[in-house]
Amino acid sequence: KQEVTQIPAALSVPEGENLVLNCSFTDSAIYNLQWFRQDPGKGLTSLLLIQSSQREQTSGRLNASLDKSSGRSTLYIAASQPGDSATYLCAVSWDGSEKLVFGKGTKLTVNP
Amino acid sequence: DTGVSQNPRHKITKRGQNVTFRCDPISEHNRLYWYRQTLGQGPEFLTYFQNEAQLEKSRLLSDRFSAERPKGSFSTLEIQRTEQGDSAMYLCASSSGDRGNEQFFGPGTRLTVL
Repeated sequence: KQEVTQIPAALSVPEGENLVLNCSFTDSAIYNLQWFRQDPGKGLTSLLLIQSSQREQTSGRLNASLDKSSGRSTLYIAASQPGDSATYLCAVSWDGSEKLVFGKGTKLTVNP
Repeated sequence: DTGVSQNPRHKITKRGQNVTFRCDPISEHNRLYWYRQTLGQGPEFLTYFQNEAQLEKSRLLSDRFSAERPKGSFSTLEIQRTEQGDSAMYLCASSSGDRGNEQFFGPGTRLTVL
């Protein structure tokens, strides 16, 4: 069964700290992996997409890496800010399917 | 580019009633997806259209659920004879198939079944 797991479920850090969010997935035959941000009661905002042939993607203070062989991805957030507080979701699509399979997310709180 | 839009944003209905939601994708996106999200969970895939063709459906999509995309532009999701377990956020996404098929999501429709 193709599954996505995110640990921890919640994380609280002081402002300015660098942090890493983890995502693991079963079955290495992925097509792509997306990281999203979701604010309470809102839709999803796409942060980064990594295609299966790529190892990492960067956008501003965010860096996402992909290791297919170990079934893992990380989202690195540099110099965290209170505005980064949200739930971060990892989602994977596998070869042969267009659908995204999501983890349950990591709820991040950045304290001023 | 105005993004994916969904209407209504909130819907409260009584058990047994039918409801219909609408999704307008980003213009020129030929792919459209429906997902459902309950509290504390990640979104779960419901169905996918490429142009007007419905190409993939989840087993979550029971006989009470039907989705259409008649002209390959906007899509509707109808739930018949709603049940309390249908209460959730219904999310729509679209993609162009390019750039690794990045999916862009709308704000969602929150359904509450009383």
